[in-house]
Amino acid sequence: GEDVEQSLFLSVREGDSSVINCTYTDSSSTYLYWYKQEPGAGLQLLTYIFSNMDMKQDQRLTVLLNKKDKHLSLRIADTQTGDSAIYFCAESGDDKIIFGKGTRLHILP
Amino acid sequence: GVTQSPTHLIKTRGQQVTLRCSSQSGHNTVSWYQQALGQGPQFIFQYYREEENGRGNFPPRFSGLQFPNDSSELNVNALELDDSALYLCASSPEGVGATEAFFGQGTRLTVV
Repeated sequence: GEDVEQSLFLSVREGDSSVINCTYTDSSSTYLYWYKQEPGAGLQLLTYIFSNMDMKQDQRLTVLLNKKDKHLSLRIADTQTGDSAIYFCAESGDDKIIFGKGTRLHILP
Repeated sequence: GVTQSPTHLIKTRGQQVTLRCSSQSGHNTVSWYQQALGQGPQFIFQYYREEENGRGNFPPRFSGLQFPNDSSELNVNALELDDSALYLCASSPEGVGATEAFFGQGTRLTVV
């Protein structure tokens, strides 16, 4: 079945890089997404990658896709306190987006 | 953008609730998701051009409507305590798998 797995917590020092990892099961997914959710807020689309791409870079964000291993990662360079949030990995299904449970990113001073 | 109302709502078990969403202009696809505390959003259903176009693992007491004016509703009958969650609406121009989906801020429903 369709499933998206990601670690639940990550702590990173301010200024370091954060790497959030995710695995998915549906090899037919067209798009893979990273969403950000701040406390009490909705979902903000950070970036997405087509399934036929290996990498996408957008300012401080780098997405890497290993389609063979069904592994997706999000790297945030120079992590700031404003990056503190829950990050959801997601894949596109036939008629829906399938989300992981989210990784809570905690920034250490 | 996508706007949802109300932002917060408290209902009693057994009651009925209607949540509203205004899609981004020109988007003909709207999807609803339920996000329980500490979980990722779960797909409820999708509407495309005013017809249900896909449904997740939710009982029939969850129903929806999509209107021609870029607005939509999620209705939940016979509320249960487990229905307490953040309900998110998302709109997209062509369907979820084709492009980005834009989410609203959500309606937080508490059932007591």
